[in-house]
Amino acid sequence: DIVLTQSPGTLSLSPGERATLSCRASQSVSSSFLAWYQQKPGQAPRLLIYGGSSRATGIPDRFSGSGSGTDFSLTISRLQPEDFAVYYCQLYGSSRRFTFGPGTKVEI
Amino acid sequence: ELQLVESGGGLVPFGGSLRLSCSASGFTFTDYAMHWVRQAPGKGLEYVASVTRKGDNTYYADSAKGRFTISRDNSKDMLFLQMSSLRTEDTAVYHCVKDLGIAAALNFWGQGTLVTVSS
Repeated sequence: DIVLTQSPGTLSLSPGERATLSCRASQSVSSSFLAWYQQKPGQAPRLLIYGGSSRATGIPDRFSGSGSGTDFSLTISRLQPEDFAVYYCQLYGSSRRFTFGPGTKVEI
Repeated sequence: ELQLVESGGGLVPFGGSLRLSCSASGFTFTDYAMHWVRQAPGKGLEYVASVTRKGDNTYYADSAKGRFTISRDNSKDMLFLQMSSLRTEDTAVYHCVKDLGIAAALNFWGQGTLVTVSS
């Protein structure tokens, strides 16, 4: 099975700064099957990006996804106070099962 | 308004069984595959199982295979997860999740129901 690794584990930034989160797959995958989620404490996850780079409904354009092969990234162009959360990448595999990365915490 | 409401969680002894339910509303249930994803306390997200729109195909994480059964009742807009031979490592919040449909992603999550397996 393909393993997803996220880095860094924790990202300490200030509002207004740019955040770049990394997701690496253990073998080459199609970006069509790569998604990103945001989870705040006590809340269910929220879909941000699907298909590697498409924003989900209602997601602000400061969130963008990119990458190919084994390396993917989520960029938050200018951090807002409400963006401090944990972010997970997710892959849909050939076995028709989902795999999640361990998460990156974005903190102030 | 789209809603997914899970129920059936609770405290269960090691080796016991539990059936989770998820009531869906606000969308055409039969148009979407459905999934269960769990999250152990203080940990990350872990995929559990999926069922196709008609319920004719199911998929499981290795940790769930042989012990858990996902199913759906399209006449009642309900999703289920029958869990047996429960282990302490199955302790988690179990989320019912709607498939995006147009791509391989999970676009709406219920708040979850907590399952605690005691040793």
